[in-house]
Amino acid sequence: LAKTTQPISMDSYEGQEVNITCSHNNIATNDYITWYQQFPSQGPRFIIQGYKTKVTNEVASLFIPADRKSSTLSLPRVSLSDTAVYYCLVAGSGNTGKLIFGQGTTLQVKP
Amino acid sequence: DAGITQSPRHKVTETGTPVTLRCHQTENHRYMYWYRQDPGHGLRLIHYSYGVKDTDKGEVSDGYSVSRSKTEDFLLTLESATSSQTSVYFCAISGGPLQGSELTQYFGPGTRLLVL
Repeated sequence: LAKTTQPISMDSYEGQEVNITCSHNNIATNDYITWYQQFPSQGPRFIIQGYKTKVTNEVASLFIPADRKSSTLSLPRVSLSDTAVYYCLVAGSGNTGKLIFGQGTTLQVKP
Repeated sequence: DAGITQSPRHKVTETGTPVTLRCHQTENHRYMYWYRQDPGHGLRLIHYSYGVKDTDKGEVSDGYSVSRSKTEDFLLTLESATSSQTSVYFCAISGGPLQGSELTQYFGPGTRLLVL
């Protein structure tokens, strides 16, 4: 399984763009990269998933370089309600049962 | 949101007593998971299921057992609860009809368990 490394915490201000990078040097060919968001006292919520290049949805963008050894979650114009823990997971269909969450990145958005 | 419920939502029990937590889904997803979350440890996988009667251990399975007799229900049992099992327990599902959906998890609201 690909081990992931993220910053433990980040601070930002309302209206700024936030980029959270996840390192996954031993990512396998069939692995996908998935990001989740978790608010206090709630379960994690799926944000975005990608395999290569760029994926965008109504919430965020995910940038994956050609070597796929890292990925960056981009949150445009954050608000106070984006304060949460963000998790990066790397897994392929062959290890569905081993979806391991790391410590995540605690994002604090300030007014 | 995916149709996942957990029961009970809160429970206080005493050391040595058995406890069963229930996860119920209405999405017909193939995979179901139990995680625990503790301060400083993030989410840790306890057990998971890849089909009816098919289960396997996660990274922190000692002291826990699971059962899945129907697609929609996944039970987590603490045979003899200990204080170290005080935690928040989350159920998750994955594996809907779309290709690749097995890698996208949807989580329940969680169960807060306090073992005295």
